[in-house]
Amino acid sequence: NAGVTQTPKFRILKIGQSMTLQCTQDMNHNYMYWYRQDPGMGLKLIYYSVGAGITDKGEVPNGYNVSRSTTEDFPLRLELAAPSQTSVYFCASKILAGGSYEQYFGPGTRLTVT
Amino acid sequence: AQSVTQLDSHVSVSEGTPVLLRCNYSSSYSPSLFWYVQHPNKGLQLLLKYTSAATLVKGINGFEAEFKKSETSFHLTKPSAHMSDAAEYFCVVSALNTNAGKSTFGDGTTLTVKP
Repeated sequence: NAGVTQTPKFRILKIGQSMTLQCTQDMNHNYMYWYRQDPGMGLKLIYYSVGAGITDKGEVPNGYNVSRSTTEDFPLRLELAAPSQTSVYFCASKILAGGSYEQYFGPGTRLTVT
Repeated sequence: AQSVTQLDSHVSVSEGTPVLLRCNYSSSYSPSLFWYVQHPNKGLQLLLKYTSAATLVKGINGFEAEFKKSETSFHLTKPSAHMSDAAEYFCVVSALNTNAGKSTFGDGTTLTVKP
């Protein structure tokens, strides 16, 4: 199992550009999450999904969009990038069964918007 | 609703001395609680978890935590700090079987270990 993979690892965007952060998990987890981590802070939930075709907003959804067409993939779309979106983005997945409950995190994408 | 407060933003200890990182939580649900560690420019690694079984939880690298419902606390301890323990530590609360399993993170505690 590769676990949770994210691409790209690093990206620099200009203000107003758009991009998609990719996230894939091969553990057949039904729940998936996108977080952002600003310097010196904990992770804030952007969007989450409880299964294919079902997504919902987290704490800080403005400026982002997501889709979940398959169990494995949960891409995060940034439209009209702004400097406030400079952050490290983590994707995570979990399954609420079998005594597990913890989230499995991807390695993160470091995004700079200038 | 749920929230997490990590009571110390920075903790500094000498190598070989005990570590205590404090975490208080609140939750409207039956909570599961986690501690994650993050080394500089790295991802998050699970140290240990509480999911309604034993209240004293042992994790990796000699860390352990005790769930105290009456005090709504889940403090992380280690008897003897090692230089490699220097990192950022996050306490996380999550609803056990509801709320879409959403997690709330504390703001983190930076652990410094002095030689």
